[in-house]
Amino acid sequence: QVQLQESGPGLVKTSETLSLTCTVSGGSIRGYYWNWIRQAPGKGLEWIGYISYSGTTKYSPSLESRVTMSVDRAQISLKLTSVTAADTAVYYCARDKSAVAGWFDPWGQGTLVTVSS
Amino acid sequence: SSEVTQDPAVSVALGQTVRITCQGDSLRGSYASWYQQRPGQAPVLVIYGKNNRPSGIPDRISGSYAGDTASLIITAAQAEDEADYYCQSRESGSNHVQFGGGTRLTVL
Repeated sequence: QVQLQESGPGLVKTSETLSLTCTVSGGSIRGYYWNWIRQAPGKGLEWIGYISYSGTTKYSPSLESRVTMSVDRAQISLKLTSVTAADTAVYYCARDKSAVAGWFDPWGQGTLVTVSS
Repeated sequence: SSEVTQDPAVSVALGQTVRITCQGDSLRGSYASWYQQRPGQAPVLVIYGKNNRPSGIPDRISGSYAGDTASLIITAAQAEDEADYYCQSRESGSNHVQFGGGTRLTVL
């Protein structure tokens, strides 16, 4: 079955760019929408956005000015610029079948990113 | 923009039935998805669509809808059901994803 694995630096300096990768194994990226979702320590889930296998993107309005997603073969990338301590969170990638009425399954295990000066 | 809201915490006695609710305008005429998150783990899909369970999810977990409210129902609650539960929907028009704030379920 398809598995997702997030990877990237665990520590990012304030005002710099957070860069993460989600590697998809055991299945194709075609026909799906690949989402990034984050969870600040002790808080709820926050949707960041998605990218389709063909490169179509949609971002959360609250993060749109700082987010870029890209896709390359079996890897989905996330870049978040000008980070602050408020961007400290566990970042998850998750697969969605639809851009209008889907659900997230499966999820990666998540990767913790701490933003600090 | 519209939101979906959940009660922060709910408790249930072992073996009893509990309902976790999610309310919002975006739920009128559309379905919510539900995720279970145990401490230190990634969320797991437990209900999607009208009332569908992924493989491996026990049939004592179900979903229902009424107006602007979606419900996750757990019958004969077990200790393993103790977790945070999140509902998810999409904002009408924009289709931006919305998560509820989460409900912490305690099994007594």
